[in-house]
Amino acid sequence: EAQVTQNPRYLITVTGKKLTVTCSQNMNHEYMSWYRQDPGLGLRQIYYSMNVEVTDKGDVPEGYKVSRKEKRNFPLILESPSPNQTSLYFCASMGQGNSPLHFGNGTRLTVT
Amino acid sequence: DQQVKQNSPSLSVQEGRISILNCDYTNSMFDYFLWYKKYPAEGPTFLISISSIKDKNEDGRFTVFLNKSAKHLSLHIVPSQPGDSAVYFCAASGSGNTPLVFGKGTRLSVIA
Repeated sequence: EAQVTQNPRYLITVTGKKLTVTCSQNMNHEYMSWYRQDPGLGLRQIYYSMNVEVTDKGDVPEGYKVSRKEKRNFPLILESPSPNQTSLYFCASMGQGNSPLHFGNGTRLTVT
Repeated sequence: DQQVKQNSPSLSVQEGRISILNCDYTNSMFDYFLWYKKYPAEGPTFLISISSIKDKNEDGRFTVFLNKSAKHLSLHIVPSQPGDSAVYFCAASGSGNTPLVFGKGTRLSVIA
């Protein structure tokens, strides 16, 4: 089944403790992206990647890092999480041309 | 500056009636528009799209209308069903694999 898989689904952590949210897609998509969803703000793009070893900042990249060492994986790294990064995070991937984004089921992160 | 705007945070509609969700955009370079539907605890799923060379695209109960001169698109759901209750995001992009820009979403409630 074609899908985008994020782990973990839920994560509670403390300020300053490094964490990684993994994302994997099995559709051989070149484009991958991370979004965060916050009440009243909709979906805001954090980082995206057009291909392996190519990453670019989205609208809200501060406090986040990503890597794209292989096509299927696009982990989101929070080196020193802060409470304002408490949010619902979505990974997504997209094929060539005008094809729609496929989203994972989300990771709800709470930073205390 | 918001490039994609959904000015109604919520909408309530009686079952069987028409739901109309609106979206405005400011970037005249956008040429591909999509609607996503999101249930709680799930990632957004693609619903319907339209390219700027068309003014209407229909898929079953769902129709998207595009008015390029007004930079406005709308999603019509007829007839509305309780299972349509969800948050609907409008999104837009330019040519090639340019990042999708999302609106803040409209929460649709279909009342039985």
